[in-house]
Amino acid sequence: RKEVEQDPGPFNVPEGATVAFNCTYSNSASQSFFWYRQDCRKEPKLLMSVYSSGNEDGRFTAQLNRASQYISLLIRDSKLSDSATYLCVVNRLNSGYSTLTFGKGTMLLVSP
Amino acid sequence: DGGITQSPKYLFRKEGQNVTLSCEQNLNHDAMYWYRQDPGQGLRLIYYSQIVNDFQKGDIAEGYSVSREKKESFPLTVTSAQKNPTAFYLCASSPPGAGGPFGSTDTQYFGPGTRLTVL
Repeated sequence: RKEVEQDPGPFNVPEGATVAFNCTYSNSASQSFFWYRQDCRKEPKLLMSVYSSGNEDGRFTAQLNRASQYISLLIRDSKLSDSATYLCVVNRLNSGYSTLTFGKGTMLLVSP
Repeated sequence: DGGITQSPKYLFRKEGQNVTLSCEQNLNHDAMYWYRQDPGQGLRLIYYSQIVNDFQKGDIAEGYSVSREKKESFPLTVTSAQKNPTAFYLCASSPPGAGGPFGSTDTQYFGPGTRLTVL
């Protein structure tokens, strides 16, 4: 099983739609979880951290299911500007150091 | 303005030449990281440094070298030993906090990247 696995998409949705992305991770010891957004040929930017209780930031909601090792991102009322690749990110510990493992990303295309 | 800068944005080199990519931050972050990204691929960790004068190999360190002589700077050298150096190189840093073993959080912030093409 890959460390972080995501459906590459693309997800094609109309403006105003609700869309959900899922991600699974293999390391049960992971403690930190994030969603990053990456525009074409740009650097990744932090979208939100993901907490066990679930968290919301405007139109974005993230959920974590530790038992199933599963993370989700829900985007409501999609905007054209939401078109990007969404990266699922999980931490791992190597000899006491914590580093991040990035999924390959899920591409979202929002159309008028 | 605080931030992470990488230079140059685009870099072309001939095969067999070493090249050094710059990464500077004025955010007072202790931890810094180097990744490479290939088309359609996720980010892969090359090297990271939690404190000055210390660094660790990531998943794909072969053919690369780094130094961390100053807190603000973490240059990456792509050597001629790197088989496929053409890629998008991203530098990141983490703010201080209680999250990690050396006091950095796991949250990382990225510079704009350098696209290296080896001809």
